[in-house]
Amino acid sequence: GENVEQHPSTLSVQEGDSAVIKCTYSDSASNYFPWYKQELGKRPQLIIDIRSNVGEKKDQRIAVTLNKTAKHFSLHITETQPEDSAVYFCAASEVRGSTLGRLYFGRGTQLTVWP
Amino acid sequence: ETGVTQTPRHLVMGMTNKKSLKCEQHLGHNAMYWYKQSAKKPLELMFVYSLEERVENNSVPSRFSPECPNSSHLFLHLHTLQPEDSALYLCASSQDHSGRARQYFGPGTRLTVT
Repeated sequence: GENVEQHPSTLSVQEGDSAVIKCTYSDSASNYFPWYKQELGKRPQLIIDIRSNVGEKKDQRIAVTLNKTAKHFSLHITETQPEDSAVYFCAASEVRGSTLGRLYFGRGTQLTVWP
Repeated sequence: ETGVTQTPRHLVMGMTNKKSLKCEQHLGHNAMYWYKQSAKKPLELMFVYSLEERVENNSVPSRFSPECPNSSHLFLHLHTLQPEDSALYLCASSQDHSGRARQYFGPGTRLTVT
């Protein structure tokens, strides 16, 4: 099955700085890569996702880049704010046929933004 | 925030008890999932249902028994659990189970087995 590695496991930045979280995957057939944010005691929330037909996607201060050749994708958060502090999870899809698949998740990155 | 709901939010049970977790989705999705979230581990997929049919059982012990009576409701029946089963149990739903559809999570049930 798919194997997703996520780094770093913890990340501390000063408010206003940028934060980058990286993930690698093993299955070259994977074609969907979501990112989730989970605040303490809350549900994982989808913040951005990218499909393999594009290399980059941006939504305000959040961007995701995908390198299919190298099989890695990254989350970029610019102008970080204290409310960005949370655990961030990446995931990659394992595709089996046209209708069956599942997501494999990374272990998560605890991001702390200091004011 | 109310698209996927779970009850109860917290549950403490002894190893000989039987209890059930409930999930309901109001998004019109066709696929529903149970995940286990333990500290320092990736989210573990337990079960996948598509159109009320179980399409994946990820080597989960038989003390966990899922039930999907219709496409909006999902249950996880628990019996004779072990302390290592203590975790956050998350329900999710998506339009289909292709692996390419966005998954939306419920708030989870924090389970403690004593």
